[in-house]
Amino acid sequence: EAGVTQSPTHLIKTRGQQATLRCSPISGHTSVYWYQQALGLGLQFLLWYDEGEERNRGNFPPRFSGRQFPNYSSELNVNALELEDSALYLCASSQTDRNTEAFFGQGTRLTVV
Amino acid sequence: EDQVTQSPEALRLQEGESSSLNCSYTVSGLRGLFWYRQDPGKGPEFLFTLYSAGEEKEKERLKATLTKKESFLHITAPKPEDSATYLCAVQVLSGSARQLTFGSGTQLTVLP
Repeated sequence: EAGVTQSPTHLIKTRGQQATLRCSPISGHTSVYWYQQALGLGLQFLLWYDEGEERNRGNFPPRFSGRQFPNYSSELNVNALELEDSALYLCASSQTDRNTEAFFGQGTRLTVV
Repeated sequence: EDQVTQSPEALRLQEGESSSLNCSYTVSGLRGLFWYRQDPGKGPEFLFTLYSAGEEKEKERLKATLTKKESFLHITAPKPEDSATYLCAVQVLSGSARQLTFGSGTQLTVLP
């Protein structure tokens, strides 16, 4: 069974540009979570999507946004990139309405120069 | 505010030297406590979920336990391949919230 897949693996952008990161959840999982892991820092919750709707967001500015598609895949958009947005962006998926585990992808390393 | 604190920040062990990692938490209500392993530059790998005080789970050389205030990850006779950062996270009982709140991790190094 395929795990959570993220693309691209690495992304280099210039300050002020926009970045789009993609995530495909495990088959049968309807929830997708996005986390940011900046160098030397812990995982910070960004966004949670379930059944195509944004269910919750963390303490990040509105330039961090995303969506979930009918096939439950998701994309994260970061507008007006700043240097401090450089981080590993992790996507996780789980089944909802059950006490089940969240499984992570390998992440997208975003570097803003 | 929900808080998760892991200790120690870093731990160096000799191969075969057993030890424990600690995760203490302060939450309004606990839905579940999760342990993950993370290798450098990779995504976290799921290890265990614990739901209620007194629960224990084992996997190979790892054993996780849970009380009302903390969780321990016991590592028995570790090997160099157990070297990684171990992350603890909580999922809280708060409306429909399902996201995880993570601790800062314990970086484990097992020397041959």
